[in-house]
Amino acid sequence: DTEVTQTPKHLVMGMTNKKSLKCEQHMGHRAMYWYKQKAKKPPELMFVYSYEKLSINESVPSRFSPECPNSSLLNLHLHALQPEDSALYLCASSQDSNQPQHFGDGTRLSIL
Amino acid sequence: GQQVMQIPQYQHVQEGEDFTTYCNSSTTLSNIQWYKQRPGGHPVFLIQLVKSGEVKKQKRLTFQFGEAKKNSSLHITATQTTDVGTYFCAGLGTTDSWGKLQFGAGTQVVVTP
Repeated sequence: DTEVTQTPKHLVMGMTNKKSLKCEQHMGHRAMYWYKQKAKKPPELMFVYSYEKLSINESVPSRFSPECPNSSLLNLHLHALQPEDSALYLCASSQDSNQPQHFGDGTRLSIL
Repeated sequence: GQQVMQIPQYQHVQEGEDFTTYCNSSTTLSNIQWYKQRPGGHPVFLIQLVKSGEVKKQKRLTFQFGEAKKNSSLHITATQTTDVGTYFCAGLGTTDSWGKLQFGAGTQVVVTP
């Protein structure tokens, strides 16, 4: 069982759609992360939020837009995605940005 | 920039045998973390090493951090089928890159009974 909850678990969308991925944790963690993972590859860091402020953006295309409404929630807004964006999107949280991370189950995203 | 190299990429092990996976960083790390990801699952945190030369054990798993804090290893003894998965090391650099875990490529472990 994971303490980081991600919804939806699966998402299929067209290239013109707008959708959002959601992530929630209630462990009081102050750092939250978005990763993208392709099959048989390690997670690639996309964004880091520390104390609800965006602290790292790994040069991610603007069609991915993160949002941190409060310390427990993290969203990833998707718009005009490309087929190569199909991947497992993982959310993680940690007590602070130098501490071990707890991952959610991920959202498996397919772009048609 | 910081890079973390991990070998081997694949490891086929007979049940009961031992194996080791290795990580090397191009720069000195503030800490190194190890994660395990089962097929179809998400990465699960195993251990964090912080001190130079640190050794930690979890049952059949032994983790080491090098003296220079640039390399690490995970040794598993008497491999079981439950050890199947991909093991990732992940290094954290200096304070100005906190939050930026650099994952190694992972070692995918297959266990044959």
